[in-house]
Amino acid sequence: KQEVTQIPAALSVPEGENLVLNCSFTDSAIYNLQWFRQDPGKGLTSLLLIQSSQREQTSGRLNASLDKSSGRSTLYIAASQPGDSATYLCAGGGTSYGKLTFGQGTILTVHP
Amino acid sequence: GAGVSQSPSNKVTEKGKDVELRCDPISGHTALYWYRQRLGQGLEFLIYFQGNSAPDKSGLPSDRFSAERTGESVSTLTIQRTQQEDSAVYLCASSLQSGRSLYYEQYFGPGTRLTVT
Repeated sequence: KQEVTQIPAALSVPEGENLVLNCSFTDSAIYNLQWFRQDPGKGLTSLLLIQSSQREQTSGRLNASLDKSSGRSTLYIAASQPGDSATYLCAGGGTSYGKLTFGQGTILTVHP
Repeated sequence: GAGVSQSPSNKVTEKGKDVELRCDPISGHTALYWYRQRLGQGLEFLIYFQGNSAPDKSGLPSDRFSAERTGESVSTLTIQRTQQEDSAVYLCASSLQSGRSLYYEQYFGPGTRLTVT
């Protein structure tokens, strides 16, 4: 059974700082890994999807990496902004149809 | 285009009552998922629909939970005889799946916040 863990549980940084969020998973037979952000009272917004054959994906100030052998993924946020404050979730897809197993999330606060 | 929509956005019900939650997926998306997010916990998979295939119900927590989907459109999640532990945000997601791709990005709706008193 796939288990996904995210550390840290919460992170507070000053605006402009670069930061890394970590995600680890127990089953390396993973089809994809998806990073989401969740704002209070809102649904999930997909940020990046990494296929199992890929090692990283980039979108703007975001870069996500995937290392299946070590069971880890990281989300790198460059030049953080207060608008980046949210809960960040990683989720692993363990079957071809992508049923996702979620981590508990990292609550990010970027203060001006 | 329109995203995934869910209704109602909030539902308060008394213990023992039945509730129905609705999800409208993105038009053309063949796959539909229901997840549950209880306070302080991660998202839990509940059920998955893909076209006319039998749904994967492996995540449903009890036989009080059921879901239906008509073709590739609307889905309803029904919870019978609600209990306080059913209080959660229920999230629906859809994805476009085709035989060419094994990797399906899921798009989520805003969720329905269910409170059982």
